Amino acid sequence: GAGVSQTPSNKVTEKGKYVELRCDPISGHTALYWYRQSLGQGPEFLIYFQGTGAADDSGLPNDRFFAVRPEGSVSTLKIQRTERGDSAVYLCASSGGAGETQYFGPGTRLLVL
Amino acid sequence: GQNIDQPTEMTATEGAIVQINCTYQTSGFNGLFWYQQHAGEAPTFLSYNVLDGLEEKGRFSSFLSRSKGYSYLLLKELQMKDSASYLCAVSLGGYNKLIFGAGTRLAVHP
Repeated sequence: GAGVSQTPSNKVTEKGKYVELRCDPISGHTALYWYRQSLGQGPEFLIYFQGTGAADDSGLPNDRFFAVRPEGSVSTLKIQRTERGDSAVYLCASSGGAGETQYFGPGTRLLVL
Repeated sequence: GQNIDQPTEMTATEGAIVQINCTYQTSGFNGLFWYQQHAGEAPTFLSYNVLDGLEEKGRFSSFLSRSKGYSYLLLKELQMKDSASYLCAVSLGGYNKLIFGAGTRLAVHP
């Protein structure tokens, strides 16, 4: 596609529920990154994929967070047993390869009530 | 730990020049990125510095001093549409893991 797309654009859920956030990277981009941005802060690194594998998941806050990229294109970030502190904008970025400029999607605004 | 500092807010007048500073202390350094982010939108790429010196791109320029752990973004001929947050980010590792500052909110007034 022309740019990185993310769905849904907004998600409201209740504490304890499970959510999935989807990212469609720019066509042909092999590197994919997830970041989380809280209000008034810069994005915070969560996880990096090169192809299908998670090469660095050191930013995932805890084991409630998991991400997959089974075919090396679309990625899904999964959050189990959501907590109010998970409320943030979840940003996805892709690049043509490791070390190249990252292009961001519009984000998914998650609100946990 | 990783520490990236930039001013929280700045104001400037339309047509003027503004300089947004960024200092960093990180374990490792591949390069430094500047992104622009309008409220409620995605960050968009502005510039990337790897070597010391000034990189100019239209109205925007970015400077890097690796020895001082310092960068700045220079915006010339300010326009109202330049009102946004400006994010400084250090790239770590061979795959551009980005560590962001909190961002500088710039307000441009007529």
